[in-house]
Amino acid sequence: DGGITQSPKYLFRKEGQNVTLSCEQNLNHDAMYWYRQDPGQGLRLIYYSQIVNDFQKGDIAEGYSVSREKKESFPLTVTSAQKNPTAFYLCASVGLGGTGELFFGEGSRLTVL
Amino acid sequence: GIQVEQSPPDLILQEGANSTLRCNFSDSVNNLQWFHQNPWGQLINLFYIPSGTKQNGRLSATTVATERYSLLYISSSQTTDSGVYFCAVRVSDSWGKLQFGAGTQVVVTP
Repeated sequence: DGGITQSPKYLFRKEGQNVTLSCEQNLNHDAMYWYRQDPGQGLRLIYYSQIVNDFQKGDIAEGYSVSREKKESFPLTVTSAQKNPTAFYLCASVGLGGTGELFFGEGSRLTVL
Repeated sequence: GIQVEQSPPDLILQEGANSTLRCNFSDSVNNLQWFHQNPWGQLINLFYIPSGTKQNGRLSATTVATERYSLLYISSSQTTDSGVYFCAVRVSDSWGKLQFGAGTQVVVTP
């Protein structure tokens, strides 16, 4: 089945450790996105990428890093510089030649102890 | 940047009731989507509706782009409709930011 797969679904880490969240899509979509959601809040854009080997900062990029070495993959690293890393992280993708409808993965819930 | 405002912030419905959720946005958009976030956090696509009216079962949506608002209608609500409903827009000429509203928390009681 086509879709967006995020892993892991739940992750616990100690403060000061870097964490990498995986996002893989087999929809042949060009653009991929990472959003962060805090409890009771909407989604905020962290990073996005429209083509391989290129990405742009969103509204809250500080403390995060990404790479886009393959079209289907867009991993997010939450670094120790991120002051409040505990959150729900959602990956999304869209095909640029299509309608522009965005689709989401199931999310990764990160808790930093 | 573009502002997206959703109302009401919270809604409590009895099963079987109808409701209307509203999304106002501050600039021209080329993409507007409605999502339902279920209790497990998954975002489910409801409508891609930059303009016009669409219906899907008990749900329908209307976007009046010239007046910068969209409405989501829930008819004959069921407990499975509970969750948070988000409106998201993308400004014209941009494949970047899909700006989300703060959401409407809907609780449907039996």
